Amino acid sequence: DTAVSQTPKYLVTQMGNDKSIKCEQNLGHDTMYWYKQDSKKFLKIMFSYNNKELIINETVPNRFSPKSPDKAHLNLHINSLELGDSAVYFCASSQVSTSYEQYFGPGTRLTVT
Amino acid sequence: DAKTTQPNSMESNEEEPVHLPCNHSTISGTDYIHWYRQLPSQGPEYVIHGLTSNVNNRMASLAIAEDRKSSTLILHRATLRDAAVYYCILRDRNAGNMLTFGGGTRLMVKP
Repeated sequence: DTAVSQTPKYLVTQMGNDKSIKCEQNLGHDTMYWYKQDSKKFLKIMFSYNNKELIINETVPNRFSPKSPDKAHLNLHINSLELGDSAVYFCASSQVSTSYEQYFGPGTRLTVT
Repeated sequence: DAKTTQPNSMESNEEEPVHLPCNHSTISGTDYIHWYRQLPSQGPEYVIHGLTSNVNNRMASLAIAEDRKSSTLILHRATLRDAAVYYCILRDRNAGNMLTFGGGTRLMVKP
């Protein structure tokens, strides 16, 4: 069974569109995250979220918003896509009590044309 | 988070030990040292973490200098599957759960 899954695996879209990436974890974790890995392979945290608190990296544009319908899901919505949003996006999860060990999904490669 | 410095790349022979260094001279007393790795085309994977004492688990060992300004990840017998980018990360235990990844070390394993 996949612990952290993301859909779609690949997403190609045009500038200006709005898109969503879905993330689900079946580990019973209470905290989920979104990371962005750019073309230079640097991984940057975007959000940390549990049912009590959303922590946003201040460098993330407000066109990006996480939405959590329940504890097992944290979807990433992106409005008005720009060329610079092209990257691989990783979802992760952990228990807040063992947050040193985060489990990552396989990634979603977003290409904006 | 305090900054870490790692070599860009390292090479190893299969079935030999590998020592991956990390410098973190500005580490604070509340910073944990984490190691993650990222295999090609996959998400990062937790390897090990520690605070002051050396740590061992099924994947690797973590040796932490007495002054905590550096640490070394030790893979006891490298396999081809260990070829990956290894990230050394400091996380302030009082500053939340978010990890700040640096450039990492690309480990190449030769058969």
